[in-house]
Amino acid sequence: EDQVTQSPEALRLQEGESSSLNCSYTVSGLRGLFWYRQDPGKGPEFLFTLYSAGEEKEKERLKATLTKKESFLHITAPKPEDSATYLCAVQAWGGGYNKLIFGAGTRLAVHP
Amino acid sequence: EAQVTQNPRYLITVTGKKLTVTCSQNMNHEYMSWYRQDPGLGLRQIYYSMNVEVTDKGDVPEGYKVSRKEKRNFPLILESPSPNQTSLYFCASSFRYGRDETQYFGPGTRLLVL
Repeated sequence: EDQVTQSPEALRLQEGESSSLNCSYTVSGLRGLFWYRQDPGKGPEFLFTLYSAGEEKEKERLKATLTKKESFLHITAPKPEDSATYLCAVQAWGGGYNKLIFGAGTRLAVHP
Repeated sequence: EAQVTQNPRYLITVTGKKLTVTCSQNMNHEYMSWYRQDPGLGLRQIYYSMNVEVTDKGDVPEGYKVSRKEKRNFPLILESPSPNQTSLYFCASSFRYGRDETQYFGPGTRLLVL
């Protein structure tokens, strides 16, 4: 069964304290892995798509990496405005083009 | 402004009273989806559509219906809502350009079924 597991469930950081969020997945055939940011009461905001092992993408203080079994979202020198829930999702080949499977998310809190 | 809109944003209803949540996108996207988000379970896909008149079931389609008569609209219909459909609902649309795909989500509809 296709599955996505994110860890930790919650993470508290001091401003400037770098860390990583993990997304491990099992999927019959990975078409793409997505990272989103979700603020309270809002819809998920797209961050990155990764398609193959070894691929990396960056945006400001965020960097996403992908292996054959997991993805990491590295946060460098975070600021309080980075506080949000970060969601990981995989898209599998077959069973419908647009099928996305989401993890439960990691709640990140960055304190000054 | 490129966006996905949903209405209503908040809805309280009673068991069995049919309701429709509308979703509209102004980006000319082919693909649209509906998700529900529940604590500890994450986002789960209800239905998706690859184009006008083309829809298919996601992971949790029971109790829901959709239609795609126009490219921009993708309403979610609950024919006979039940309390277990109390949830936060999101509509999303996307396009594919080569290998890249960007999904845009609406602001969400919070539904309470009494």
